[in-house]
Amino acid sequence: KAGVTQTPRYLIKTRGQQVTLSCSPISGHRSVSWYQQTPGQGLQFLFEYFSETQRNKGNFPGRFSGRQFSNSRSEMNVSTLELGDSALYLCASSPGTSGRMDTQYFGPGTRLTVL
Amino acid sequence: GDSVTQMEGPVTLSEEAFLTINCTYTATGYPSLFWYVQYPGEGLQLLLKATKADDKGSNKGFEATYRKETTSFHLEKGSVQVSDSAVYFCALSMRDSNYQLIWGAGTKLIIKP
Repeated sequence: KAGVTQTPRYLIKTRGQQVTLSCSPISGHRSVSWYQQTPGQGLQFLFEYFSETQRNKGNFPGRFSGRQFSNSRSEMNVSTLELGDSALYLCASSPGTSGRMDTQYFGPGTRLTVL
Repeated sequence: GDSVTQMEGPVTLSEEAFLTINCTYTATGYPSLFWYVQYPGEGLQLLLKATKADDKGSNKGFEATYRKETTSFHLEKGSVQVSDSAVYFCALSMRDSNYQLIWGAGTKLIIKP
């Protein structure tokens, strides 16, 4: 099976702009989670989508949003970019139906730099 | 709240040395526990997992045992290689948090030939 893919791999934006990142999960997986990784804060959970519905949300401002399509592909959007949004954004997919037995598989990430 | 604490790095070892990276957790229930590895410039790869007490996860020579009595999930390998140089993350997931992953800070491992 193909793994989790994320596009683009690298992005450079300026403050105030908005950005959309894309994630294609492993075939058959219905859950997609997003994480932000920074040197200062480490790995932090953004949100999870399952069957086109947001099922779980972390403590991020409303500028961070996402959605999931009927084919389980997901996008996340960050509006009004700030310097502190520079990070590696990781997407993970899982079946989403196995509870404690579920395992999340990660894509390579999108490196966002805000200037 | 639920949390994961890992030993700080970097950890520097010579090739063929024994590796231990400590991980302890705080959780109100019975979490699933994971070790992920991140190689330079890459995403996270699942290394091993355990879903209940006394489970032992193993993969690529790495092992970790879910110790409920000490709330620990220490990562071990008997003989490390230069190719094991990476950052290692311990994580947990809980039903109460809808199984989102809660992460340790990561431990950078450097193996010298």
